[in-house]
Amino acid sequence: GQNIDQPTEMTATEGAIVQINCTYQTSGFNGLFWYQQHAGEAPTFLSYNVLDGLEEKGRFSSFLSRSKGYSYLLLKELQMKDSASYLCAVRDGDYKLSFGAGTTVTVRA
Amino acid sequence: NAGVMQNPRHLVRRRGQEARLRCSPMKGHSHVYWYRQLPEEGLKFMVYLQKENIIDESGMPKERFSAEFPKEGPSILRIQQVVRGDSAAYFCASSPINLAQNTGELFFGEGSRLTVL
Repeated sequence: GQNIDQPTEMTATEGAIVQINCTYQTSGFNGLFWYQQHAGEAPTFLSYNVLDGLEEKGRFSSFLSRSKGYSYLLLKELQMKDSASYLCAVRDGDYKLSFGAGTTVTVRA
Repeated sequence: NAGVMQNPRHLVRRRGQEARLRCSPMKGHSHVYWYRQLPEEGLKFMVYLQKENIIDESGMPKERFSAEFPKEGPSILRIQQVVRGDSAAYFCASSPINLAQNTGELFFGEGSRLTVL
């Protein structure tokens, strides 16, 4: 089976940095994804890692260590609009994504 | 350039009724995925379809649930004889080609929220 763990909630201040960790144990590995989901809206793609290391995209960065089954999403210069749920997902075969339960990030002024 | 369109956005059914959820993928996309999301839980894979073919339905309950993606028209997720436990948000996603051939970005619709009374 698939086991993808991430914290349930995190709170941070506007302008700060937050790191959301994700650990996974899956039967296979073919890429790790981060999605953002605002309440009542569609999940939207943020990042993709398939090789070890850091991928940077503006204020958002994602890191992967395949040997440790570990990833993190780093959100810098937090803005109020970053308040959302962040979903870690692993592709274990050709197409199927398995999702964690999501981390709700609350940004406070 | 419309995204993935799902309807209805909200659906209320009484126990025993049928629910039909529709999904039109993004233009040019021929692969459709259905996921279910319960409160405080992650998105759970249900079924993967290509035009006129069910590729993987391993996440879909064997009874009462069915899905199709006809040659013409939207993909349909059908739930017969609904029960309270079926209350959830059902998300459809699409991709242009098999995910193994690209980074694997799925484009999600805004979901259909089913409430069973």
